[in-house]
Amino acid sequence: AQKITQTQPGMFVQEKEAVTLDCTYDTSDPSYGLFWYKQPSSGEMIFLIYQGSYDQQNATEGRYSLNFQKARKSANLVISASQLGDSAMYFCAMREGGAAGNKLTFGGGTRVLVKP
Amino acid sequence: DTGVSQNPRHKITKRGQNVTFRCDPISEHNRLYWYRQTLGQGPEFLTYFQNEAQLEKSRLLSDRFSAERPKGSFSTLEIQRTEQGDSAMYLCASSHQTNVQETQYFGPGTRLLVL
Repeated sequence: AQKITQTQPGMFVQEKEAVTLDCTYDTSDPSYGLFWYKQPSSGEMIFLIYQGSYDQQNATEGRYSLNFQKARKSANLVISASQLGDSAMYFCAMREGGAAGNKLTFGGGTRVLVKP
Repeated sequence: DTGVSQNPRHKITKRGQNVTFRCDPISEHNRLYWYRQTLGQGPEFLTYFQNEAQLEKSRLLSDRFSAERPKGSFSTLEIQRTEQGDSAMYLCASSHQTNVQETQYFGPGTRLLVL
């Protein structure tokens, strides 16, 4: 089974509007972390936001917020007030604890195109 | 700039040649990771180091691949006898073993094209 699933291969969003990017995950480990990264066309992966499995509140970082629904195993990224510079690939990733080590497992990504 | 750096940024080689990539992590980070990303996919884990020790290797890392981090600072990834299927972006990341979050910060990557 896929550990990280991003079901939206691509999305258009109007500038200044909000967009939600879906991410579901699969793990039996009680301790895990969820990350979102942005990858512009230049290729570098830019860290956006983190949510720990034991965190009681949804994470927020500026215009980025994470809608964490633990029972549903989803960690959707919300980008508010979209800007043209938000056009990029967005990846959801998970780090599990214990024997899984420290590696990140990534989803297939969602391409976002912001329209002026 | 104190971010993760990678060299070269681009590499074109012929099938059968050997190539070596370098990664310089953020200076205070003791963990260093290599990932491979093919077109249209998310990155896939290859290997990681804690200081100079290589602690985990993916099954993706065939015996043609070798990685080192001799002094616990920079790392090299070598691919011997390259194949066309090795064409990909090779990403390096580093982190500091401090807390639960331990965010991995990525370099700009090395794009490899094997002809």
